[in-house]
Amino acid sequence: IQMTQSPSSLSASVGDRVIITCRASQNIWTYLNWYQQKPGRAPNLLISGTSTLQSGVPSRFSGSGSGTDFTLTIGSLQPDDFATYYCQQSYNSPWTFGQGTKVEIK
Amino acid sequence: EVQLVESGGGLVQPGGSLRLSCAASGFTFSSYWMHWVRQAPGKGLEWVANIKKEGSEKYYVDSVKGRFTISRDNAKNSLYLQMNSLRAEDTAIYYCGREGDCSGTRCLAIDSWGHGTLVTVSS
Repeated sequence: IQMTQSPSSLSASVGDRVIITCRASQNIWTYLNWYQQKPGRAPNLLISGTSTLQSGVPSRFSGSGSGTDFTLTIGSLQPDDFATYYCQQSYNSPWTFGQGTKVEIK
Repeated sequence: EVQLVESGGGLVQPGGSLRLSCAASGFTFSSYWMHWVRQAPGKGLEWVANIKKEGSEKYYVDSVKGRFTISRDNAKNSLYLQMNSLRAEDTAIYYCGREGDCSGTRCLAIDSWGHGTLVTVSS
């Protein structure tokens, strides 16, 4: 299953609402996860099962979608949110990641 | 506190072998599926393999099938990745990951990650 994220990168300001989309090449129901990765660090799970926010993740992050189209929304971008975000499907093996979306400071 | 510590990375020639280890602590290792994920320099994440709690099921990405073997020793709280016939395109940071448990069922997401170990395949 191929996962395609858009955009590949974006520039935004603190306080902006940011939306990242992820499209699967086939129906993956809601088996979709989102990870955040900062330079030199391991990825960090933000959202599992399309919309379940992980413990400790700020509520400004939210996820939605089903089937083939999904979104990650950052309600009000904060300085700590500048990072690369990856979607990942776990509907079947091999699990696959999107190519990543780099969120940069405008 | 969940801790995953990878080791065993390094420089190896094309065609060579390497065995990665991941030492787990802070949780009941035998109760979780475990994964390997890699990231080539400056590139995105690529899932490599996973293994069931007791080791009876294993899955791989096509590009490593027949060359890599994932295994675990629950008595030693350790996960392994035996990598044979290494190629330049296997150069990456290799992360060990724990799949979350959702009230006794699989969460199907990696909720804990190690810091990674770098594997460089070059002559």
